Amino acid sequence: GESVGLHLPTLSVQEGDNSIINCAYSNSASDYFIWYKQESGKGPQFIIDIRSNMDKRQGQRVTVLLNKTVKHLSLQIAATQPGDSAVYFCAERSNFGNEKLTFGTGTRLTIIP
Amino acid sequence: DSGVTQTPKHLITATGQRVTLRCSPRSGDLSVYWYQQSLDQGLQFLIQYYNGEERAKGNILERFSAQQFPDLHSELNLSSLELGDSALYFCASSLGPEQFFGPGTRLTVL
Repeated sequence: GESVGLHLPTLSVQEGDNSIINCAYSNSASDYFIWYKQESGKGPQFIIDIRSNMDKRQGQRVTVLLNKTVKHLSLQIAATQPGDSAVYFCAERSNFGNEKLTFGTGTRLTIIP
Repeated sequence: DSGVTQTPKHLITATGQRVTLRCSPRSGDLSVYWYQQSLDQGLQFLIQYYNGEERAKGNILERFSAQQFPDLHSELNLSSLELGDSALYFCASSLGPEQFFGPGTRLTVL
């Protein structure tokens, strides 16, 4: 069945360093993936997305890598800042035309000043 | 600010009661999604509406129902509330594949 999981529930990174958050998915039919950031008391905030026909996409300070062979997704955040502290979720969409997203359990990223 | 609004921000009620959560999508977005977030379940998809019609259903209980109105705002109705319904309820909207989330309604059932 569908499942999206995260390798690590918590991650602490020194300010200024790069961070990598990982996510595994099980549905090979997934065609679209999103990373969300959720700060305490707020709704998930869209960070970056990637379609299954790509293996890398870059945004501002963020890069998403997709490895379809091992069904693995990662979010790289460069030069982390205190404001990056949050819970990060990956989500997958399993079928084109069905917009339902399945979310992973989340990774809490803490930036150490 | 995502452009999605939800009211109320907080709701405290008793078991057995019924509540209505309201969501206004971003201007131009036709799809509205409802999610439940509790500590032990993460973000769970409940239901999606597209331009007034139900499009997809997730793990939504029979005690819960939703609708989307002609002006595209949506309401999620929760009835016969139980302690376990206490959670954050998020609405999201989209025009394309990415979904934009509102600030959520925190429901506490006592």
